[in-house]
Amino acid sequence: ETGVTQSPTHLIKTRGQQVTLRCSSQSGHNTVSWYQQALGQGPQFIFQYYREEENGRGNFPPRFSGLQFPNYSSELNVNALELDDSALYLCASNRENQETQYFGPGTRLLVL
Amino acid sequence: DQQVKQNSPSLSVQEGRISILNCDYTNSMFDYFLWYKKYPAEGPTFLISISSIKDKNEDGRFTVFLNKSAKHLSLHIVPSQPGDSAVYFCAASGSNDYKLSFGAGTTVTVRA
Repeated sequence: ETGVTQSPTHLIKTRGQQVTLRCSSQSGHNTVSWYQQALGQGPQFIFQYYREEENGRGNFPPRFSGLQFPNYSSELNVNALELDDSALYLCASNRENQETQYFGPGTRLLVL
Repeated sequence: DQQVKQNSPSLSVQEGRISILNCDYTNSMFDYFLWYKKYPAEGPTFLISISSIKDKNEDGRFTVFLNKSAKHLSLHIVPSQPGDSAVYFCAASGSNDYKLSFGAGTTVTVRA
């Protein structure tokens, strides 16, 4: 059984640029959630996708957007990058109606 | 507003002894609680969970206790091993909720 995978592992961008992060869910999981983890803090919920639709959103501005594809993989897009967007971005997946989410290794984004 | 709090940022324990990690929550709608373990440069790994209909759940060396009236849960690790040195996150969700709310984490160091 393949776990959650994310790409790329690391990324450096400059302020104002746009970035796309990718996630493949664990085998058999149809729900994907994205979290942002700043240094020294716990992960903060960005949004969740289920059946290719956004299924809930945290307190993040509209420049954070996402997609889910028919194979349940997902993308997180961030436009107009700001310095405070520098963080570890985590993707998690779970089966429908299952509350335990399983996390990928994350993408470390640095905005200069 | 921080709905899940881990008030101890760090814990140092001798190998073979018990580690006790604490977590408090404020949202009475939370009914499912999880503990994750995180090593540097990796994503959080699911450890153990508990539903609000139970007050204890055990899995090998790990036991989670839930006190609903106090809105408090704890994770006991017995005996502690050097490989347990990591950051531990407490997380919670509600039955009609789609997101996990995390605490800020407790760094555990197991001394030989």
